[in-house]
Amino acid sequence: KNQVEQSPQSLIILEGKNCTLQCNYTVSPFSNLRWYKQDTGRGPVSLTIMTFSENTKSNGRYTATLDADTKQSSLHITASQLSDSASYICVVSANTGGFKTIFGAGTRLFVKA
Amino acid sequence: DAGVTQSPTHLIKTRGQQVTLRCSPKSGHDTVSWYQQALGQGPQFIFQYYEEEERQRGNFPDRFSGHQFPNYSSELNVNALLLGDSALYLCASSLRGLADYEQYFGPGTRLTVT
Repeated sequence: KNQVEQSPQSLIILEGKNCTLQCNYTVSPFSNLRWYKQDTGRGPVSLTIMTFSENTKSNGRYTATLDADTKQSSLHITASQLSDSASYICVVSANTGGFKTIFGAGTRLFVKA
Repeated sequence: DAGVTQSPTHLIKTRGQQVTLRCSPKSGHDTVSWYQQALGQGPQFIFQYYEEEERQRGNFPDRFSGHQFPNYSSELNVNALLLGDSALYLCASSLRGLADYEQYFGPGTRLTVT
């Protein structure tokens, strides 16, 4: 069964600290993995996109890693800011020739001053 | 260049009623996908429209239907509303033939069923 599991479910950190969010998936055959940031009540905004051959991708203070062998990805946030408070969703697509995209439930990050 | 727009922003309906949500895709995009996102959950795929036809469908009942117009805009209709239909409804647009990660999301419509 195609699944995307994220951990932790929620996380509280102090402003300026770093954190790492995890994503494990069983989607196959693998096509690409994306991390989105979603502010409360808003649509998701893409942070990083990685295909099979990529194992790291950065976007400012956000760095995503991908291990296609273990089917794991992580999103590392450096020097967190209050505006980083949001849900972070891991999305994995399968290369089936059709539309097969699985969303994780997300990690809710709270950054406190 | 306008991004994906959705209307209305918020909506309150009563059980048993019907609702129509609207989406205008990003300029240049021809494919629209709809998602339902319950509170604290990830988005769940409802269906996708291209060339005015439903091309893919997720695990949603027939109470959920849609339409795409010649200008690529789309509507999502939900009949016989249930309390469990309360959610954020997201529209995403893309260009057919490009990778699925070239997909942009709208701000969503928050539907509350009482």
